[in-house]
Amino acid sequence: NAGVMQNPRHLVRRRGQEARLRCSPMKGHSHVYWYRQLPEEGLKFMVYLQKENIIDESGMPKERFSAEFPKEGPSILRIQQVVRGDSAAYFCASSPPRPSPLHFGNGTRLTVT
Amino acid sequence: GESVGLHLPTLSVQEGDNSIINCAYSNSASDYFIWYKQESGKGPQFIIDIRSNMDKRQGQRVTVLLNKTVKHLSLQIAATQPGDSAVYFCAETVQGGSEKLVFGKGTKLTVNP
Repeated sequence: NAGVMQNPRHLVRRRGQEARLRCSPMKGHSHVYWYRQLPEEGLKFMVYLQKENIIDESGMPKERFSAEFPKEGPSILRIQQVVRGDSAAYFCASSPPRPSPLHFGNGTRLTVT
Repeated sequence: GESVGLHLPTLSVQEGDNSIINCAYSNSASDYFIWYKQESGKGPQFIIDIRSNMDKRQGQRVTVLLNKTVKHLSLQIAATQPGDSAVYFCAETVQGGSEKLVFGKGTKLTVNP
């Protein structure tokens, strides 16, 4: 049973470009979460999605950031017009219907130059 | 607030010793707690969880203790091995609530051979 798959592992973007981060949850998992981690810090919640629905986006910046989890295909975290402060590791996690632990992918490391 | 903290940023132990990693949480409504291990360049890996109706839970070489009176959580690792070297995070959530998992900043454990 494959784990949570994220791609790309590393992404370099220039300021002003768009970044698209993909996450395929574990088989059978219908809940997806996105977290951001700065160096030497904990993970900060961004958004929680179920298929075709955003359940909680209280951790998402109001502008430039969006997330989706379509009926078919991976979950996408999209960052428009990236700035240097967006540089971080972005982790996706999935779970079956709660309560149960989240299973994390190995993250996408975004570097904005 | 949402923060989960009160921990030593780093902990250094000798191989074979027992390790204790501490965590305090601030949300008295939290009723589900998880410890994660994060190795360099990887996503958090589930170690053990505990619900608020318990005060102790044991796994393989690990024990989690929960003290709801003082809102304190600890992770004990028996016979610590070099492979245990990593950053350890506690996380909390309220079941049936937003499902948002709140992470602490983490403790870096170094095991000396």
